[in-house]
Amino acid sequence: DAKTTQPPSMDCAEGRAANLPCNHSTISGNEYVYWYRQIHSQGPQYIIHGLKNNETNEMASLIITEDRKSSTLILPHATLRDTAVYYCIVRVASGNTGKLIFGQGTTLQVKP
Amino acid sequence: EAGVVQSPRYKIIEKKQPVAFWCNPISGHNTLYWYRQNLGQGPELLIRYENEEAVDDSQLPKDRFSAERLKGVDSTLKIQPAELGDSAVYLCASSLGISGNTIYFGEGSWLTVV
Repeated sequence: DAKTTQPPSMDCAEGRAANLPCNHSTISGNEYVYWYRQIHSQGPQYIIHGLKNNETNEMASLIITEDRKSSTLILPHATLRDTAVYYCIVRVASGNTGKLIFGQGTTLQVKP
Repeated sequence: EAGVVQSPRYKIIEKKQPVAFWCNPISGHNTLYWYRQNLGQGPELLIRYENEEAVDDSQLPKDRFSAERLKGVDSTLKIQPAELGDSAVYLCASSLGISGNTIYFGEGSWLTVV
């Protein structure tokens, strides 16, 4: 599985958009980009995933560059409850290697 | 629909004592995972089940850790005897199949070994 690189920490003002970057320059053609977050004392929570097209759901948007070597998770209107560690993970979409390999993630601090 | 359920939520034991964690996956999910998360680190896979078969247990310390998934539903992770370094959060997760289906996590079982 390809490795990802994320900044260790970021701050964001409440109500503003939070843009979390992720580099995955060695991503393979059959690997998806997944985002999870982990709020203190809770298990990881699935946010969104994508292959090559941009994706949007009720929680966030995922922008993947055309060469697929990097992506950005966008929380459009961050709230204090979005303070968490955000993990960017690349994962093979088929075959028998379905596990998620977590890195250190980005600690997002949303400030009032 | 209920999520992944784990128990106990918190456990404090003395070293050399045994401990067991229980997991009930999301209904219908045939793939079950146990992860361990040390303080300040991301979760690391211990074992993955496809139904009742352990298909990836390469990261499970087999001298003291064991796991089972009877009937392909609930699972138990056991540590015997526990060591100080086993203090961590033990996370259970499940998914419908393994081919790219989303993996959902439980709240975790927090273990402190003293």
